[in-house]
Amino acid sequence: QQPVQSPQAVILREGEDAVINCSSSKALYSVHWYRQKHGEAPVFLMILLKGGEQKGHDKISASFNEKKQQSSLYLTASQLSYSGTYFCGTVLIPGTASKLTFGTGTRLQVTL
Amino acid sequence: GAVVSQHPSWVICKSGTSVKIECRSLDFQATTMFWYRQFPKQSLMLMATSNEGSKATYEQGVEKDKFLINHASLTLSTLTVTSAHPEDSSFYICSARLAGGRTDTQYFGPGTRLTVL
Repeated sequence: QQPVQSPQAVILREGEDAVINCSSSKALYSVHWYRQKHGEAPVFLMILLKGGEQKGHDKISASFNEKKQQSSLYLTASQLSYSGTYFCGTVLIPGTASKLTFGTGTRLQVTL
Repeated sequence: GAVVSQHPSWVICKSGTSVKIECRSLDFQATTMFWYRQFPKQSLMLMATSNEGSKATYEQGVEKDKFLINHASLTLSTLTVTSAHPEDSSFYICSARLAGGRTDTQYFGPGTRLTVL
């Protein structure tokens, strides 16, 4: 079953913060976050493993609450380049069968 | 590192013809590659898992005989859309799995836009 992301869409002014949530109905092994710009392939942002992991890079960070089967992506002091559609991808089983199920997506637009 | 290429970037073909799309991992070996399909403003839907040296595993509802997958080497997987029809028009994206310790990461190719007239 496809993970549900919220919000579906958000418009920010440059410098504002945003939170994107990803919820699954199944127990997860890992959560992967990607950003996709129109007409392009998704670009890998980060991966979080079960065990309550949190991590970040520059002004983008994420957390994974395996008990709630949820992950959140935090965008701080957003830049124009952050615009795009964000997808979470969930993995149920680690290893060679580790196929990703992508979430419903969140469209983010950053304006001046 | 972890670059994946796809060829062609776009293709326009007539109904009934077959189209082959190539996916290559340029700087790493990938025993597993994945093929996705994406319609406008929608999420990526996994079509099949391509395993080097063995048969692909198709997701439910994906026709094996229509979407032929071959993973002939550790750096190349191909998707052939046979007897394409307008409803097959879509954005096809491949990814290659980079194994790494506790987890694997999928790196995506730039995608191929298929338009069937």
